[in-house]
Amino acid sequence: AQKVTQAQTEISVVEKEDVTLDCVYETRDTTYYLFWYKQPPSGELVFLIRRNSFDEQNEISGRYSWNFQKSTSSFNFTITASQVVDSAVYFCALRRDDKIIFGKGTRLHILP
Amino acid sequence: DGGITQSPKYLFRKEGQNVTLSCEQNLNHDAMYWYRQDPGQGLRLIYYSQIVNDFQKGDIAEGYSVSREKKESFPLTVTSAQKNPTAFYLCASSILDVNEQFFGPGTRLTVL
Repeated sequence: AQKVTQAQTEISVVEKEDVTLDCVYETRDTTYYLFWYKQPPSGELVFLIRRNSFDEQNEISGRYSWNFQKSTSSFNFTITASQVVDSAVYFCALRRDDKIIFGKGTRLHILP
Repeated sequence: DGGITQSPKYLFRKEGQNVTLSCEQNLNHDAMYWYRQDPGQGLRLIYYSQIVNDFQKGDIAEGYSVSREKKESFPLTVTSAQKNPTAFYLCASSILDVNEQFFGPGTRLTVL
């Protein structure tokens, strides 16, 4: 079965703290793609990153970083020095054939 | 500006009426998708289309219908057969063989 689990339903941190959002996936495919999307209060999903299964290098983009570990089937997302504008729902997703399977999302509250 | 437009942002209908949600993209993307999002839930795929005049059912197609007469347009009709149509509907598009999808702003449908 192909599945994405985001165990953290909701997280609250104080501004400037670091926060990690967990994502665990299941797939029988040897080649697959993982994604993170951000959904701010406006509702539109914003694409953040794509990672393919052959590339286990961690990636950093400004205050965002992603840790992909095939051995534990995890693709965690860390926000460093969080800001109020980071408040949103974050979705982890897995590509299956020509479709994308989304986790249920983690709602992140950054408190001023 | 290139992008995906969905209109209207908010839509109200009486129970038993069909309603059509519009989705237009000017990104020249081949594939288009419709998702439904309920509170606290991830996105569930309703229908998708990879080419004009062709489309496939997603995981929750019952009570919905689509058409793809033009590459730019993928309207979704919520029929009276859909038992619980009140939800947030998101349209997305992508280039074939490129994995990430890009989303429109969504339409919040409320059936009274």
